[in-house]
Amino acid sequence: EADIYQTPRYLVIGTGKKITLECSQTMGHDKMYWYQQDPGMELHLIHYSYGVNSTEKGDLSSESTVSRIRTEHFPLTLESARPSHTSQYLCASSEPLQNAEAFFGQGTRLTVV
Amino acid sequence: QKEVEQNSGPLSVPEGAIASLNCTYSDRVSQSFFWYRQYSGKSPELIMSIYSNGDKEDGRFTAQLNKASQYVSLLIRDSQPSDSATYLCAVKRRRDNFNKFYFGSGTKLNVKP
Repeated sequence: EADIYQTPRYLVIGTGKKITLECSQTMGHDKMYWYQQDPGMELHLIHYSYGVNSTEKGDLSSESTVSRIRTEHFPLTLESARPSHTSQYLCASSEPLQNAEAFFGQGTRLTVV
Repeated sequence: QKEVEQNSGPLSVPEGAIASLNCTYSDRVSQSFFWYRQYSGKSPELIMSIYSNGDKEDGRFTAQLNKASQYVSLLIRDSQPSDSATYLCAVKRRRDNFNKFYFGSGTKLNVKP
């Protein structure tokens, strides 16, 4: 079982609030990813990281920001939540090898009301 | 054009039958290919990975890769109701100096008892 954890699992929050979605992994992986997934739709990469102090925006534009101060920790922050941010957010990590798989956390289902 | 294309389904098969799931990808330089299973409301979990042309078998699962046709498939033998889930095809390739995963929108499989 992969050791990657996301908290909270579910979050209902009001418009305009600042939120941080937590993601931690204990596998020592350098590469970490944030995906956004709406029901029945594909995963869209919104952020990724090569390692500590390295973050990049993904292929889907997102108003969220990320940080990577420690290898094991890759939090995602929304400064001002809006209903359009309602979605499932999945954190993943992988080894740097070309053939390495991605391990996913349990996901955070965010609802902004 | 989407990076990874899958028939959304649902694909319905009777218990004990073979389920065949298909996936095509757009970029020839893609190097690694993965099948993930995602139960409703859960995060994706790896079923199989394949990197070379041909077949790869693991228990009831067989992945098939044809790079010339840019085609990946997953066969599930002796399908069980517990196999009912959405199956995501993922392709990994280097882009922007980073190995990224690109996911299809998934094929929903229903195995009827």
